[in-house]
Amino acid sequence: QSALTQPASVSGSPGQSITISCTGTSSDVGAYNYVSWYQQYPGKAPKLMIYDVTKRPSGVSNRFSGSKSGNTASLTISGLQAEDEADYYCISYTSDTTGVFGGGTKLTVL
Amino acid sequence: QVQLVQSGAEVKKPGSSVKVSCKASGGTFSTYILSWVRQAPGQGLEWMGAIIPLLGTAKYAQKFQGRVTITADKSTSTAFMEVSSLRSEDTAMYYCARAPNGYNYVFDYWGQGTLVTVSS
Repeated sequence: QSALTQPASVSGSPGQSITISCTGTSSDVGAYNYVSWYQQYPGKAPKLMIYDVTKRPSGVSNRFSGSKSGNTASLTISGLQAEDEADYYCISYTSDTTGVFGGGTKLTVL
Repeated sequence: QVQLVQSGAEVKKPGSSVKVSCKASGGTFSTYILSWVRQAPGQGLEWMGAIIPLLGTAKYAQKFQGRVTITADKSTSTAFMEVSSLRSEDTAMYYCARAPNGYNYVFDYWGQGTLVTVSS
C-alpha cells in the first residue's frame, strides 16, 4: 500500500478557513468511509480530530470538519486560530484490512 | 482514565532486535485493537501493524511483514512489538495506539512513544 497523498504544507490567516486534502485510491479512501484525521504538535503524540470521514469525537472543536468525494478525503478547519498550527495526518482503512497514513501536512497560521 | 504506558528508550546495534512494550490500564484491554505506529525523525506517521488481544491475531503492513512481530499478554494487559534485523532506517519514535473494536484506525488513546535509536 502506498501512502495517501497530502499537500506538504498549507497556510492561512487567523479567522480564515483552510482545507487539507488526502488522496488515495479505489482500494482505500474511495472504497470505505473509514478515514480518520489526526493533529500532532512537535514532540507530542497525535490526537484524533475526525473519524469515519465526518464524525467528530467529543471535545474536538466544531471548527474541524471532514468530508469525502471519490478517492479524496478532506479536513476543513474554519475560523483558523494560532493553536491550530500543527501537523495533520489522514489514515484510511484499506481493502486488505490494513491501514495507511498520508504523508502529513504542516499547517502554518500566518 | 485510560492510559497506555510504553517502555523506555532503546539504543541498538544494526542487525539486532528490539522489543517495545505497551501496558494498558483503565479499560478492557482484550476488546480493543492495539496498533503500532512509527515516526522517523522529521518524517510522517507510518502504520506498522495491529493486534486484537482477545483473539491474539495480528496483521501487518506489507512493508513490515516478516520483520515485525506483535503480541499481547492479556494477563498483564500489555502489548509488545518486536523488530528484528534492525537497520539505521528503523531509528524512530514508536507509538502504540488503541482503537475501539469495530472502529477502523480510530485511535482514541496513544502511548507516550518509545524512541529507538539504531547506531553502530
